[in-house]
Amino acid sequence: NAGVMQNPRHLVRRRGQEARLRCSPMKGHSHVYWYRQLPEEGLKFMVYLQKENIIDESGMPKERFSAEFPKEGPSILRIQQVVRGDSAAYFCASSPSPRVNTEAFFGQGTRLTVV
Amino acid sequence: AQKVTQAQTEISVVEKEDVTLDCVYETRDTTYYLFWYKQPPSGELVFLIRRNSFDEQNEISGRYSWNFQKSTSSFNFTITASQVVDSAVYFCALHAGKSTFGDGTTLTVKP
Repeated sequence: NAGVMQNPRHLVRRRGQEARLRCSPMKGHSHVYWYRQLPEEGLKFMVYLQKENIIDESGMPKERFSAEFPKEGPSILRIQQVVRGDSAAYFCASSPSPRVNTEAFFGQGTRLTVV
Repeated sequence: AQKVTQAQTEISVVEKEDVTLDCVYETRDTTYYLFWYKQPPSGELVFLIRRNSFDEQNEISGRYSWNFQKSTSSFNFTITASQVVDSAVYFCALHAGKSTFGDGTTLTVKP
């Protein structure tokens, strides 16, 4: 999973603030996936993006969460007005192709703590 | 819909024992990947193995081995002669367009 860069690694926000999580995919990868891992749980799919397009956001909470993957720059997962329940590890993965038989590579994760 | 079930929530063994972590999956896709990841207390995901749906060969890597049986939709992971450093949460995952993870098995290896 070397190559997918997530920053920051740790983020602390007070309730009501905004959290911005960044993911730079591996070189040559134009597909990005975001996953959330709540404490003591497995990873849950949130959203799948291609450059400038959201392909599948079936796992995104309906409010306060948004994601983008602009033509230039990293993918951003934005959480507005954070609440304690948003505290989790957020993992990003990238792949070079949308094909089913293509592997995705994971970053190290961003651990968000809401105080 | 895809689903991955890791029925064992927690396993505790004594060092040098062998331990098998079970993984059962469901998918309608004929082409997919199966993975095992290790998540140590530090929190990162450590890739252990990838298998594609057309390759049912079992694999051994040092003390680790994997048994993929398509007929029973299982992809079990065995650690031989476990060590304290093997203590971690282990996730099985299915990737077919996007990844679906099991809830993880927490393995504790006691000295």
